[in-house]
Formats: sequence, structure tokens, C-alpha cells
Amino acid sequence: GAGVSQSPRYKVAKRGQDVALRCDPISGHVSLFWYQQALGQGPEFLTYFQNEAQLDKSGLPSDRFFAERPEGSVSTLKIQRTQQEDSAVYLCASGMRITEAFFGQGTRLTVV
Amino acid sequence: AQSVSQHNHHVILSEAASLELGCNYSYGGTVNLFWYVQYPGQHLQLLLKYFSGDPLVKGIKGFEAEFIKSKFSFNLRKPSVQWSDTAEYFCAVKMNNNAGNMLTFGGGTRLMVKP
Repeated sequence: GAGVSQSPRYKVAKRGQDVALRCDPISGHVSLFWYQQALGQGPEFLTYFQNEAQLDKSGLPSDRFFAERPEGSVSTLKIQRTQQEDSAVYLCASGMRITEAFFGQGTRLTVV
Repeated sequence: AQSVSQHNHHVILSEAASLELGCNYSYGGTVNLFWYVQYPGQHLQLLLKYFSGDPLVKGIKGFEAEFIKSKFSFNLRKPSVQWSDTAEYFCAVKMNNNAGNMLTFGGGTRLMVKP
């Protein structure tokens, strides 16, 4: 399909384990966002890339969270030493312009 | 901090009833406004958006929203809902300041339409 693709769709991690979540944006999209959506809440901003440059990481909750987009297309969100409060759906969105965002289906992370 | 409020967390309507979902934001500057919908098991999809101009915006599937600047509101409306409108609806705001390019979302409203 031509949409934003995220993998895996579901991830169960033991507390303390490192995880990596992948986002394949729509081809040619310059902007890429990561959001975290806790159960029963709206998405909350984590970080923003313009091409390969990470222009805003103000939403990353701790230094255990790290994101990269080395070639300006695929992005990976890494969470080190996962904790139970990291359990959430992680959403990726991409767009040609800053003002648009096409969302993927998300990765549901459960930390046990 | 800037915030977006959706006061109705759950709404239950019968088919053909009219819908209005509230959205208020707390920011005094220029904003871009969005409504997203998430059908069960699917990704967030854009319903409509407002950037400038006519404050009454029409979106897909018969939805519309009105930006009232004096009330800091952007309420979503539909004259006659269908069972297929059952979904979760999110209001989002992009604040045009130096704080960044992100969307700030409300907590969502879960709509159930009874057939």
C-alpha cells in the first residue's frame, strides 16, 4: 500500500528489555513525527524529523527514548530498558509539508 | 502549557440523530485546527482541517466544523449520523509559534451510533 507502515504491529517486552519500532513513511514525505498514545488518551508528541534532521525531540519522556532517520526515509524509535509506563501505542506520521500528517496504524507496546 | 480539551468522552446516539462534539484549546495566537477519526482497528484519518478563511469548514462524509476564535473552539458537527460513524474522534491543534511543528491532541471522544 501507499500509506505509512509501522512494524511490528504488536510488541510484548519484558521490563528492562530494549525495543526498536520501525516506521516506513510515505515515499517522498519530508516530515516525520512520532507520537505516543496511552490507553484512553489522545496522541502526545515525541519527536519530529525533517528529512534526516531531528529538529525537535522535546517530547521524548526520558533519555531511554531515542529516534533516528539516518537516510531521511525509514525511522526507528528505540526504547532502552523498557518500563511498565512505556506501555502505549506508538504512532508514526509523515507528510510533504509540516501542516499535514498521515498516520500509520501504530505499534502497540506492552511491557510486562 | 497549551492544551486541547474535548469535554465529551463518550457519546451514544441513534442513527439519524444530529452530532456535535466540542473542542476547545488554550492558546491565544494563530492556530491550524484539525479533526481526525479513528475507526475500530484502523489508523487515524483526517476528517477536516482549518487554516484560514471561512471559519465553517466542510470535510469528508458530511462532517463540518466551525472555528469560533472568540471562544477558542472548533466543534465538529454532522446533521444526521450513521451507524458507520461509530469511531473515536480527536481534535488537534497546531499552534503557530516557536514551540514546534507538532499537533497537540485532545483526549478523544468515543462515538457509538446505535442502528
